[in-house]
Amino acid sequence: EIVLTQSPGTLSLSPGERATLSCRASQSVSSSYLAWYQQKPGQAPRLLIYGASSRATGIPDRFSGSGSGTDFTLTISRLEPEDFAVYYCQQYGSSPAPFGGGTKVEIK
Amino acid sequence: QVQLQESGPGLVKPSETLSLTCAVSGYSISSGYYWGWIRQPPGKGLEWIGSIYHSGSTYYNPSLKSRVTISVDTSKNQFSLKLSSVTAADTAVYYCARHSGSWYGSPWDYWGQGTLVTVSS
Repeated sequence: EIVLTQSPGTLSLSPGERATLSCRASQSVSSSYLAWYQQKPGQAPRLLIYGASSRATGIPDRFSGSGSGTDFTLTISRLEPEDFAVYYCQQYGSSPAPFGGGTKVEIK
Repeated sequence: QVQLQESGPGLVKPSETLSLTCAVSGYSISSGYYWGWIRQPPGKGLEWIGSIYHSGSTYYNPSLKSRVTISVDTSKNQFSLKLSSVTAADTAVYYCARHSGSWYGSPWDYWGQGTLVTVSS
């Protein structure tokens, strides 16, 4: 089973700053089958990125994903107040399709 | 717009069976896609429980497989989760969701709001 490690655990930034979140897999993720989700307190996760770099429907272009193999990155170009949340990566190239432990982006 | 809504008891006693149902609206389960369950213990991360196709084909997380049953009722446009022999470690928010692609591992694009199930005597 592929294990996903997200870093940092918490990212303290100010609105307008750039956020860079990392997701590292224990084995190569086939066909860049990696997704990112955003979760706000008391809400279900929301799909942001799939296929490592494709934005899901309705996702603003300040969110971008990149990477391949074992190293993936989610970048938020300029943080808006509504972007402060927890972000999870998920690989879906093999079963089971685990989630990473999450990165919390908090207001500095 | 696809909507999913979980329902079921919020409190289950240890060693008993947790039962939840997910009602789907805005899309017919019989039309396709895989559907499934994910859980999240309080303050922790997400764990896939299992998924089902409208034909009834099921896929379970190996770590839970011995205790999980997922079924579908296309006439009611809903699917259900049963988790047996629960312990306090099964206390979590349980989400139902839809896979976005053509296989059971694909990302989840529509989610229910989640329901907290507490295991306690």
